[in-house]
Amino acid sequence: GEDVEQSLFLSVREGDSSVINCTYTDSSSTYLYWYKQEPGAGLQLLTYIFSNMDMKQDQRLTVLLNKKDKHLSLRIADTQTGDSAIYFCAERSGSARQLTFGSGTQLTVLP
Amino acid sequence: EPEVTQTPSHQVTQMGQEVILRCVPISNHLYFYWYRQILGQKVEFLVSFYNNEISEKSEIFDDQFSVERPDGSNFTLKIRSTKLEDSAMYFCASRTTGRRGEQYFGPGTRLTVT
Repeated sequence: GEDVEQSLFLSVREGDSSVINCTYTDSSSTYLYWYKQEPGAGLQLLTYIFSNMDMKQDQRLTVLLNKKDKHLSLRIADTQTGDSAIYFCAERSGSARQLTFGSGTQLTVLP
Repeated sequence: EPEVTQTPSHQVTQMGQEVILRCVPISNHLYFYWYRQILGQKVEFLVSFYNNEISEKSEIFDDQFSVERPDGSNFTLKIRSTKLEDSAMYFCASRTTGRRGEQYFGPGTRLTVT
């Protein structure tokens, strides 16, 4: 079945860029998503990319997609302490368009 | 901004008891989902619901689980006889029709089975 993998932890200094990586297995994925989860909160949709795109930029967020390698990344420019959270990569699959999630990357922003 | 809401935020129940988790999806959305996240594990798909019926379900969604849209606004997940391993965060999500159809998630209900 589909599988999505992410590294578990990332620490960066405030003001630096963060890059969170994700790999997926389902070559038929049409949309890939990034969600953010703050402590005690739900999953907040940050951005998405359609599979025929290589890159999407949305303010401080840049999503890069390498479809050949099935690799997705999320770059956060000028990372702030408020960006500390768990970031989930997800691919959309199945007839009901349900999401398959990665395990999440805990981003810690150090002052 | 419209959002998905879920109640209660935390439910504690004894093993063998029935629980009902409630969700109010975004009002113009037509597709509804339940996911769960066991502590320290991935968010897993449970079931999707469209046009008053289940459209897809995972292996986790066995006969102990059921979903219902009892009225025009609520979407519920019932667990008939809870087990210890049902302890998890349960997320409801909804989306519109259309090609993009981003899913919007509620804040979750933390279910603790003792």
